[in-house]
This record gives sequence, structure tokens and C-alpha cells, in this order.
Amino acid sequence: NAGVMQNPRHLVRRRGQEARLRCSPMKGHSHVYWYRQLPEEGLKFMVYLQKENIIDESGMPKERFSAEFPKEGPSILRIQQVVRGDSAAYFCASSPLSGQGGWNNEQFFGPGTRLTVL
Amino acid sequence: AQRVTQPEKLLSVFKGAPVELKCNYSYSGSPELFWYVQYSRQRLQLLLRHISRESIKGFTADLNKGETSFHLKKPFAQEEDSAMYYCALSGRGMNTGFQKLVFGTGTRLLVSP
Repeated sequence: NAGVMQNPRHLVRRRGQEARLRCSPMKGHSHVYWYRQLPEEGLKFMVYLQKENIIDESGMPKERFSAEFPKEGPSILRIQQVVRGDSAAYFCASSPLSGQGGWNNEQFFGPGTRLTVL
Repeated sequence: AQRVTQPEKLLSVFKGAPVELKCNYSYSGSPELFWYVQYSRQRLQLLLRHISRESIKGFTADLNKGETSFHLKKPFAQEEDSAMYYCALSGRGMNTGFQKLVFGTGTRLLVSP
């Protein structure tokens, strides 16, 4: 199992462009989480998705940001009209299908995508 | 409000010295507490969680509900322990398992020979 894959690892965009970050969860995992880490800060939760469903998007900015986890293919975090403040490391994590109680739902993290907005 | 505080940005010790990385939390219910570690050029990985009550790589952490703390300890630090350590909490979900993690800002542990 290759673990959680994220691409690209580094992404450079100019202000106003769109950024698409992809996350492939571990095999057999159907839960995906996105976190953002600004410089000198901890990881901050953005959104929690299951296949074809957004479960919790309480950490997503109201505008320009969207996320999806289609039935087939990776989860996508999309940032439209990027601004300099969007420069950060974006981490994806996945966990397996939850059972009753779910105490074994450890989140496994990807290597992150470092977004730089010029 | 859910919050995790790690007061030290950097902790520098010599090999063989005891280590304590501090973590305090704020949560209205019964949280699940974790320590994550990120070694150089590696991805973030789970080190230990309070419900398992186990020692990993010589590290232990005890949940103190009275002091709302979950400090990470190791009696004798090794050079290979040098890494970034993040304390995190998660609200207990009844049927959906672990939900979002709330992270502290991290403490960089540097163990010198």
C-alpha cells in the first residue's frame, strides 16, 4: 500500500489563477480530510468528505474554495482566483470505513502540497 | 471552543536527557488526544493516542483531565527523536468515528549528541 498520495507536491500560481490539489487515499479508505498549514501555525481542518458526500466543511473559507470526492478518482481541493494569503501547505488524510464507535479510524496523512501564490 | 496549546516552539536537549513536550487543551466534552510526529523529509504520522495507553519509541503521554493536559514524555532522549511534534484532539463521534483533528502549533525537538 503506497499510502496517501498527493499531487502535485509543489504548485506555483499567480494571483487570480486556479489551483487544483489532488489526493488519492489509501486503498480501502473512503474517508478523506483536508487540512491547511499556514507558516508558523499548526494544521487547521478544512473539510471532511466521504465518497460523493461532504460531511463537514466547517473549516472551508466561504468563497473560492471547494472540495469533492467523486465515486471514481481522487479527492480534489479547488481554489479559484488564488491570492497570496492562500500560500500554504495543504495536507490530505484518509481513514478507513468507520465501524461502530470508530476507535480504529486513525487518519493517515499524505506528504502535502505546498502552494505558492506569486 | 476547541483549542490545543503547545507553548514551546523549540525544545533543545542533549542525548540521554529527559524530555517533556507540553500540551494543554480546551474542549467542552470528552476529547480524544493524540501526538503526531513529523521526522525530517517524512510525512506526519501518529505517534500515540491516549486511549491506547501504550508506550511508543519510549514515549508516553497521560491525559490529565483536571489540568487539561496531555504532555509527551521520554526519560532518555535519543538523537533520532529529533522531529516536529504536534499535539491534537478530536471530538468523539458516536457513529462516524474520528472526525476533524484540532492541532497545536507544534514543538520542534532537537536532540544533540
